[in-house]
Amino acid sequence: DIQMTQSPSAMSASVGDRVTITCRASQDISNYLAWFQQKPGKVPKRLIYASSSLQSGVPSRFSGSGSGTEFTLTISSLQPEDFATYYCLQHNSYPRTFGQGTKVEIK
Amino acid sequence: EVQLVESGGGLVKPGGSLRLSCAASGFTFSSYSMNWVRQAPGKGLEWVSSISSSSSYIYYADSLKGRFTISRDNAKNSLYLQMNSLRAEDTAVYYCVRDNWVDYWGQGTLVTVSS
Repeated sequence: DIQMTQSPSAMSASVGDRVTITCRASQDISNYLAWFQQKPGKVPKRLIYASSSLQSGVPSRFSGSGSGTEFTLTISSLQPEDFATYYCLQHNSYPRTFGQGTKVEIK
Repeated sequence: EVQLVESGGGLVKPGGSLRLSCAASGFTFSSYSMNWVRQAPGKGLEWVSSISSSSSYIYYADSLKGRFTISRDNAKNSLYLQMNSLRAEDTAVYYCVRDNWVDYWGQGTLVTVSS
């Protein structure tokens, strides 16, 4: 099984900060990596697919990069509505695996 | 507009069974693989099971140990999850999710396993 190690597990940041979240796969997953945002009590929302493709309607301050085993989600300038939990997901092989999540809190 | 509407959740005693359903609309259901993903209270997301468009390929999380069965009825645009021998640790919101690319999610249905 492919393990997805996401870091950090939590972070505090201020509005306007640049935020970077990392996911490492235990083996090569090519670009079969998606990023999701989830707010409390809400359904997860896909932000990025195929490692770096921005989901339609998602602000351009969100970007993804990486291939193989190392992937990054970057929020270029954190906005108040971005405080949430973020998850990565590998869908290269079964079983699918999510990262443990990164909770982005207000500093 | 793509819509996925789950139903069938509720309170069940340990050892009991429950069948979840997901009604799909707004896309050609028979052309897409489908998934179930769950989230225990206060916990992260966990993939449960996937089924290919024609039901030829089915996959489960190892942790389920044969207790759950995924199925679909393309004529009814519906996805199902039969859950048997339920345990307290199966308590979660269960989401119906479209495709290998995991693009659309339903609102989820809560399953609570408790005596």
